[in-house]
Amino acid sequence: AQSVTQPDIHITVSEGASLELRCNYSYGATPYLFWYVQSPGQGLQLLLKYFSGDTLVQGIKGFEAEFKRSQSSFNLRKPSVHWSDAAEYFCAVGALSSGSARQLTFGSGTQLTVLP
Amino acid sequence: ETGVTQTPRHLVMGMTNKKSLKCEQHLGHNAMYWYKQSAKKPLELMFVYNFKEQTENNSVPSRFSPECPNSSHLFLHLHTLQPEDSALYLCASSTRWTSHEQFFGPGTRLTVL
Repeated sequence: AQSVTQPDIHITVSEGASLELRCNYSYGATPYLFWYVQSPGQGLQLLLKYFSGDTLVQGIKGFEAEFKRSQSSFNLRKPSVHWSDAAEYFCAVGALSSGSARQLTFGSGTQLTVLP
Repeated sequence: ETGVTQTPRHLVMGMTNKKSLKCEQHLGHNAMYWYKQSAKKPLELMFVYNFKEQTENNSVPSRFSPECPNSSHLFLHLHTLQPEDSALYLCASSTRWTSHEQFFGPGTRLTVL
């Protein structure tokens, strides 16, 4: 079965600093990988996705992520963080479920705090 | 309205109450999902519907009863819930059940007393 690990429960960075959120996955086949962001009281918004091709993918709000098959990782990066980026970030892997539906398996999330 | 909407946004209910959560998507999608998000736990997929037919039930207790009258609407009927059922319930939709890309609603914050 697939799984996703986000090793950092909470990260604090200063506004303007660079950011990297870690994500490791376990899946037997080529994964479909996603990063979602959740602001307080809101649902999940898709930041970016990787299906195939270029291993460096660009997303919304200036985020990017790099798929590294050898490390089973899909880390999220942003060169300069804004105060509005404070939120919870979820990495997810898409896989087939037993009923053939596509199922997303989520990590536990990383809470990002941005200091002024 | 655009995207995926959920009502109510907040719900407090007793263990003997019966209530329903509603989800509506305005994206023309054919698949809809219910997730449970509890504190400190990953999102848990509960149900999947494809063209109004239930395709997945991830061992969800029978006190949760989904209903999908059409591809745009999804309900979660609740009865005799337990305090541990308190959570954020998220609805999502995708173009088809074979698509990984899901669009989420804002969720219903449920508190069971």
